[in-house]
Amino acid sequence: AQTVTQSQPEMSVQEAETVTLSCTYDTSESDYYLFWYKQPPSRQMILVIRQEAYKQQNATENRFSVNFQKAAKSFSLKISDSQLGDAAMYFCAFGASGTYKYIFGTGTRLKVLA
Amino acid sequence: DTEVTQTPKHLVMGMTNKKSLKCEQHMGHRAMYWYKQKAKKPPELMFVYSYEKLSINESVPSRFSPECPNSSLLNLHLHALQPEDSALYLCASGIGTSGRGGYTQYFGPGTRLTVL
Repeated sequence: AQTVTQSQPEMSVQEAETVTLSCTYDTSESDYYLFWYKQPPSRQMILVIRQEAYKQQNATENRFSVNFQKAAKSFSLKISDSQLGDAAMYFCAFGASGTYKYIFGTGTRLKVLA
Repeated sequence: DTEVTQTPKHLVMGMTNKKSLKCEQHMGHRAMYWYKQKAKKPPELMFVYSYEKLSINESVPSRFSPECPNSSLLNLHLHALQPEDSALYLCASGIGTSGRGGYTQYFGPGTRLTVL
């Protein structure tokens, strides 16, 4: 069975600074996808970034990038130049290829300080 | 365009009421999902429809009844709910294939349900 662990229930970052949210997972699958979703107080889950396990290159979307360490089963999210609008709950999710079901982590609440 | 719409935004119902939640997407996605989310918790999968057929039912009580009338529309019919069913109900859609994008899910804004 797959598991996803987010060990930081809450993080804070100063506006314009950089913050890294951690996520580790456990699986015996070889083909899978990893995701970071953002859920602001407005409550909609927004896809931030996606990583295919077969790709060695780390995914990047503007100020968001991941550090994907497949052997260590680690998938951290780096947010650069943090903005007030980045304040949200961030969920890490695992999806095995060929299955519909995600395994979610417990989430990290990010606060951005002005 | 990755828009999934949900109506209503808020719903308050009594335990004897019958109501429905609606979800719509026009991205050509063939997989559609219902999730239940309690405060400060990750979403919990309830149902998955693939090509308009029920693919996954996560042992959800029968007072929740999903329906997929066509590839763009997903309903969740509610009847005789309990106060503990109060939660945010999220709909998602996805490509649903092993191709590019895999099983990436795109979420709607949710319906906040309160059961009195």
